[in-house]
Formats: sequence, structure tokens, C-alpha cells
Amino acid sequence: QQQVKQSPQSLIVQKGGISIINCAYENTAFDYFPWYQQFPGKGPALLIAIRPDVSEKKEGRFTISFNKSAKQFSLHIMDSQPGDSATYFCAAVDQTGANNLFFGTGTRLTVIP
Amino acid sequence: DSGVTQTPKHLITATGQRVTLRCSPRSGDLSVYWYQQSLDQGLQFLIQYYNGEERAKGNILERFSAQQFPDLHSELNLSSLELGDSALYFCASSLELSSDTQYFGPGTRLTVL
Repeated sequence: QQQVKQSPQSLIVQKGGISIINCAYENTAFDYFPWYQQFPGKGPALLIAIRPDVSEKKEGRFTISFNKSAKQFSLHIMDSQPGDSATYFCAAVDQTGANNLFFGTGTRLTVIP
Repeated sequence: DSGVTQTPKHLITATGQRVTLRCSPRSGDLSVYWYQQSLDQGLQFLIQYYNGEERAKGNILERFSAQQFPDLHSELNLSSLELGDSALYFCASSLELSSDTQYFGPGTRLTVL
């Protein structure tokens, strides 16, 4: 049973465009929502994260939008660059519980020059 | 470089065998997590240790076990290996039990023939 649903599975964006990846969850106990970036042959690395008490968080070209009532959150990558080509995973954590990450299925982003 | 090290990088073995994967967390991190990444199951949490004690279990098979030693390094033992155990195994570490950020190692790629 997938606790975090992620879409799309793959995404191709032109350089300078906006990449948008969406995630949804069911467990209302989740209280921390990180996004991880993974390059081939590497482990996932934390990119940006949000808590459900805010609706948006921005760090550079990366923005998380969070809709608590809809139990959805999304990652926006502005001015996408070829170096952003990677697999992106959304995740959710219940930090009052076990603190383990429940990952989405991943989105393979390709930014074409 | 996350500061988390994993050995070996690659492991090729036969069905029915037993292997041990090793993880050294970032200096000062007390919590260690093991995750399995496979094409069909995605990234899944296996088990968490904190300061030598098991704290949470996820989708870990009974054939798999782990431990965390006094120097805080951790080992994941996989026995009676099956073809379906072929996957990337990641170790992550965090400072405390409920720390926001988990830092992932580069992974061990296990191939069972």
C-alpha cells in the first residue's frame, strides 16, 4: 500500500521551463514533507522540506506548495536547468512516530537544452 | 558527499547465500536507517536503530536482520537470498531520533544470481 502517491512518473521540460511534480497522502499523522533529489549512482539527498503549518516554502528556484485540506503537495522547479535532470522523490514522515520516510514512487526529470 | 559511508559498493552473490552490508553514519549521528530501493517496490524503509537499539521496523523480511554497534556503525544481514532481493540498499543517518534531515549514503547494489 503506497502511503504517498507521486505523479508524473517521468517529465521532460525545456531549459528555462517550470517543472511540476505532484504528491498526495492519506495519513493525517504525517507532519513533515521532504523532497529528495537522486542522481544516478548516488543516494537521495534532501532538497527542500515543508511542515503542514505553512502553505508554501521557497528556496532558490525550488518551491513546495502544500494544501493541507486536500492532503496534497507539489514541487515546482523554476527556470529548470539541464543540471536538474535527476529523479525526484516526495516523502512524508510522522515525526511523533517512527520518523521513517515514506517515499513516493519517484519522478524522472529530464531537462533538455 | 553526505558523510555516510557504505561498503561494499557492489555485491554479486548466488541464491541461498548470506551477505552483510555495512554502514558508517555521519560523525555524531545516533540514528541509522536502512532502506531498500527496487524497481518494483521503490524506496522502502526497512529498519531503524538509535544509539544501539532497534526503534522501528518497516517492511523487513524475517530473513533480514540488522544491528548497530557501540561505535554506531550498522550492519544489515541478508540471508537465504532470493532473486527478488536484488536491489539497492541505502543507509541513512540522522542526529537524533526525530531529526528532520536524514543523510543517505551512496548505497550498496546487491545482485543475486
